[in-house]
Amino acid sequence: SQQGEEDPQALSIQEGENATMNCSYKTSINNLQWYRQNSGRGLVHLILIRSNEREKHSGRLRVTLDTSKKSSSLLITASRAADTASYFCATPGGAQKLVFGQGTRLTINP
Amino acid sequence: DADVTQTPRNRITKTGKRIMLECSQTKGHDRMYWYRQDPGLGLRLIYYSFDVKDINKGEISDGYSVSRQAQAKFSLSLESAIPNQTALYFCATSDFDGGYTDTQYFGPGTRLTVL
Repeated sequence: SQQGEEDPQALSIQEGENATMNCSYKTSINNLQWYRQNSGRGLVHLILIRSNEREKHSGRLRVTLDTSKKSSSLLITASRAADTASYFCATPGGAQKLVFGQGTRLTINP
Repeated sequence: DADVTQTPRNRITKTGKRIMLECSQTKGHDRMYWYRQDPGLGLRLIYYSFDVKDINKGEISDGYSVSRQAQAKFSLSLESAIPNQTALYFCATSDFDGGYTDTQYFGPGTRLTVL
């Protein structure tokens, strides 16, 4: 099954700056999802982008999808301390299952 | 998400012991999943169930078994726990939207340590 790979593995920025993380995948997909995980807690769904969409917004989040490059990016604008978390992309893994990448660990410094 | 609960939240056990992790959901979803997460790694699917009579193995089912007692309950068992099963375990649910992969809703996790 295919798997999204996030880049970078870890990212540390100052509060107020923008954070960008990327996800690459291997085969054609019909959608891609992003999830957030606060330390030791369950994942929380952030946003789903379909293959016919190039960009999607939700509050301070902006997700792009480039199906020709098999990649997606998650941009968090005007970061806050509460954005400190791990972020995972998830792609369809057949039979309506999801396959998660290894995640990007984001740290927002005050 | 309070709609998906897991018990226990933390468990320390010894090698060879049988242990059961329980998951309950009030979201009314048909689909339920068990994942494990190891430090620095993503989530790996252990088992999944699309309805009460449907149980499927995930990518790492060896050493685990599951029971779907009702639409709302999905239990994971380790018949004879071993140290490399030490991990964070998550239950998740989803409601298929008819066309695209469904969004999953996760429980708070169970931290399992096998000594």
